[in-house]
Amino acid sequence: QSALTQPASVSGSPGQSITMSCTGTSRDIGGYNYVSWYQQYPGKVPKLIIFDVSNRPSGVSNRFSGSKSGYTASLTISGLQAEDEADYYCSSYSSTSTHWMFGGGTKLTVL
Amino acid sequence: EVHLVESGGGLVQPGGSLRLSCAASGFTFSNFWMSWVRQAPGKGLEWVANIKQDGREEYYVDSVRGRFSISRDNAKNSLYLQMNSLRAEDTAVYYCARDHGYTRDYWGQGTLVTVSS
Repeated sequence: QSALTQPASVSGSPGQSITMSCTGTSRDIGGYNYVSWYQQYPGKVPKLIIFDVSNRPSGVSNRFSGSKSGYTASLTISGLQAEDEADYYCSSYSSTSTHWMFGGGTKLTVL
Repeated sequence: EVHLVESGGGLVQPGGSLRLSCAASGFTFSNFWMSWVRQAPGKGLEWVANIKQDGREEYYVDSVRGRFSISRDNAKNSLYLQMNSLRAEDTAVYYCARDHGYTRDYWGQGTLVTVSS
């Protein structure tokens, strides 16, 4: 099964808001509210920032928010900061034999 | 504080075997599903396998099913991944992660597995 589809890159200026997408199918994103987002700096461990579509773990900035419509989940980062520059991965439960799907990742550049 | 520490990675020839370990601390290990997730150099994340709290259910990504085996020892707070018939495409950093509901909330630092002759 193919991974979830994410844009390779997005960019924004400090203070702006950006939204990145993650597109799946009826067997994953479209069928379940089990979308997670992870932030990963180069050479570092992925960090959970959103789970169950729109929930933030304790300690994660409220500048990060998640949503879902149909087969597409979205991550929005408001008030963009230089420290937000990282790779972002979406993940979803899947009813296929691959129970957990990841997207290919989106590189966020803060201009 | 939740702590996951992987070990056992290294260089192995194609067709060879390797066993990864993950030592867990800071939480009640036996209460959680656990996963292995890998990341090939310069590539994205790929879920590999996970295992139920009592070890009686296991799930695998298609590309490793039949070659890899996940297991756990709740008495030792440890998770394992036995990898057989290794291929070049298995080269990756392997992360141990705690499953919490329908997400992976804590991850270890990872251990690098390189399959090459």
